[in-house]
Amino acid sequence: AQTVTQSQPEMSVQEAETVTLSCTYDTSESNYYLFWYKQPPSRQMILVIRQEAYKQQNATENRFSVNFQKAAKSFSLKISDSQLGDTAMYFCAFMKPRSDMRFGAGTRLTVKP
Amino acid sequence: KAGVTQTPRYLIKTRGQQVTLSCSPISGHRSVSWYQQTPGQGLQFLFEYFSETQRNKGNFPGRFSGRQFSNSRSEMNVSTLELGDSALYLCASATSVSYNEQFFGPGTRLTVL
Repeated sequence: AQTVTQSQPEMSVQEAETVTLSCTYDTSESNYYLFWYKQPPSRQMILVIRQEAYKQQNATENRFSVNFQKAAKSFSLKISDSQLGDTAMYFCAFMKPRSDMRFGAGTRLTVKP
Repeated sequence: KAGVTQTPRYLIKTRGQQVTLSCSPISGHRSVSWYQQTPGQGLQFLFEYFSETQRNKGNFPGRFSGRQFSNSRSEMNVSTLELGDSALYLCASATSVSYNEQFFGPGTRLTVL
């Protein structure tokens, strides 16, 4: 069974600084997808970034980037120039093709002014 | 394009009752997945429907059921409610092509008294 582990229940960062959220996963599959979702206090889950396992290049979306280490089964999210609006729960998720999505327990990120 | 909508947003029921939640996917999306989110168990997959057929199912008791209509709208039903069913129920939709890119609705907060 695929499991996703987020070892940091809570983190905080000063506005404009950089923060990295950790995620590890366990799978025997070679083809899969990894995601970071953001859930602000309003509750709507928003996709932050997505990585296909077959792609070696790390995904980047504006201030958000990932460090995908396939051999180590690690998928960390780096947020640069943190903004107050980045305050949210962040969930790491794993998905095999045409299967359900497995989520980590989440990391609560607080951006301080 | 309108996002995923869920109704109702809040619901209060008593033990033993049954409840039906509704999810309208993004126009053109044929896949609808349901998740249960609780503080203790996190985000757990309930089931996925695609073209009116249940394609995947999570590890939940038979009290949890769902269906999908020809217009891709989906309903989830929980019978004989238990206190532990109190949760945020999220639905997510995806296209048949980019099935791995799920868009979440705002959720229905169910409270069982």
